[in-house]
Amino acid sequence: AQKITQTQPGMFVQEKEAVTLDCTYDTSDQSYGLFWYKQPSSGEMIFLIYQGSYDEQNATEGRYSLNFQKARKSANLVISASQLGDSAMYFCAMRERGFQKLVFGTGTRLLVSP
Amino acid sequence: DAGVTQSPTHLIKTRGQQVTLRCSPKSGHDTVSWYQQALGQGPQFIFQYYEEEERQRGNFPDRFSGHQFPNYSSELNVNALLLGDSALYLCASNGGGNEKLFFGSGTQLSVL
Repeated sequence: AQKITQTQPGMFVQEKEAVTLDCTYDTSDQSYGLFWYKQPSSGEMIFLIYQGSYDEQNATEGRYSLNFQKARKSANLVISASQLGDSAMYFCAMRERGFQKLVFGTGTRLLVSP
Repeated sequence: DAGVTQSPTHLIKTRGQQVTLRCSPKSGHDTVSWYQQALGQGPQFIFQYYEEEERQRGNFPDRFSGHQFPNYSSELNVNALLLGDSALYLCASNGGGNEKLFFGSGTQLSVL
């Protein structure tokens, strides 16, 4: 069964510093996709970054990068140069090949301070 | 380019009532999924629609039903509302072989 684990309920970082949000996953499938979403207090889930299990390079999208370690089944999100607007909930999610649903973790609340 | 749009943004109902939530997918997307997010939790998959058919369903009772229209928009219907149905309901769309799933801002449903 698919499972996503986010062990950090909350993280604090100062503006302009980098922060890593942890995500581990469990799957028996060889083909899957990993996602990170940001959810501000407004409620909208904002797509940040996607990594396919067969992608050899770590995904990057602007200030976001995904540190994909397949053998360890981890997909940590790295945010460089944090901004005040990065304060939000962050969710890691996975979709296995052949399944349509995303399975989400419990989320990490990030607070960026000036 | 409009993203995923949902209506209404907020809704208050009483136990036993029925509710319909609406979703228009992002332009170019033909697949719509619905998720329920309880307070303090990650979203839970309800079901997905493609070509006007339910393609996969999560662990939700039959009180939850849906529909997809020829223009790819979708509705989520919940019958016999329970207090536990209070949650943020998120619609997501994708299509064209693209793995990326885009979400709307959600409908906050409160059942009193």
